[in-house]
Amino acid sequence: DADVTQTPRNRITKTGKRIMLECSQTKGHDRMYWYRQDPGLGLRLIYYSFDVKDINKGEISDGYSVSRQAQAKFSLSLESAIPNQTALYFCATSRADGARAGGELFFGEGSRLTVL
Amino acid sequence: AQKVTQAQTEISVVEKEDVTLDCVYETRDTTYYLFWYKQPPSGELVFLIRRNSFDEQNEISGRYSWNFQKSTSSFNFTITASQVVDSAVYFCALSVKRTYKYIFGTGTRLKVLA
Repeated sequence: DADVTQTPRNRITKTGKRIMLECSQTKGHDRMYWYRQDPGLGLRLIYYSFDVKDINKGEISDGYSVSRQAQAKFSLSLESAIPNQTALYFCATSRADGARAGGELFFGEGSRLTVL
Repeated sequence: AQKVTQAQTEISVVEKEDVTLDCVYETRDTTYYLFWYKQPPSGELVFLIRRNSFDEQNEISGRYSWNFQKSTSSFNFTITASQVVDSAVYFCALSVKRTYKYIFGTGTRLKVLA
């Protein structure tokens, strides 16, 4: 089983609909991140969280919200989806402790969202 | 602010050629970390290497090598004797200790032709 799991993996929705992407991890990491990937734009940070009470906006947070329900769960919501939110979304985690703080991100397999 | 620039959008090489992917970063922080990730056609993101700002030693792992030069703010990635399986999008990323935000470049698509 994957250490970082994203659901759904694929979703097609219509403009104006609310959609939630969920991320859960079994790595025991404190830090969690949401990125979106668009062709030619790389990965852009939407939101990140260092613990349940610490939520921070990334580069492109407009139109998105997040919820850190528990250390292991970090959800991304699009309250009213629009076509330019069509993208591949990745959840990631990283360690916060010791020598590996600042270590690599561990990514989920991605959630492909299409907004019609 | 932090920034990562991967000026090469796409590179095509013939199998067995060597290829270098460029990465230039910007930060005023003195403690930071640099990364390379590979994204094969299957879409997952595969971690390749992490370097901290105090370790400028170059690293070699099989056919892969990395050249970190603080003087030019570059962290370049070379694949020696490329193979078709190296075809992927490669991302360079930067994280600073002060924020632990990870900023990615726009990626370089490498195509290795048989």
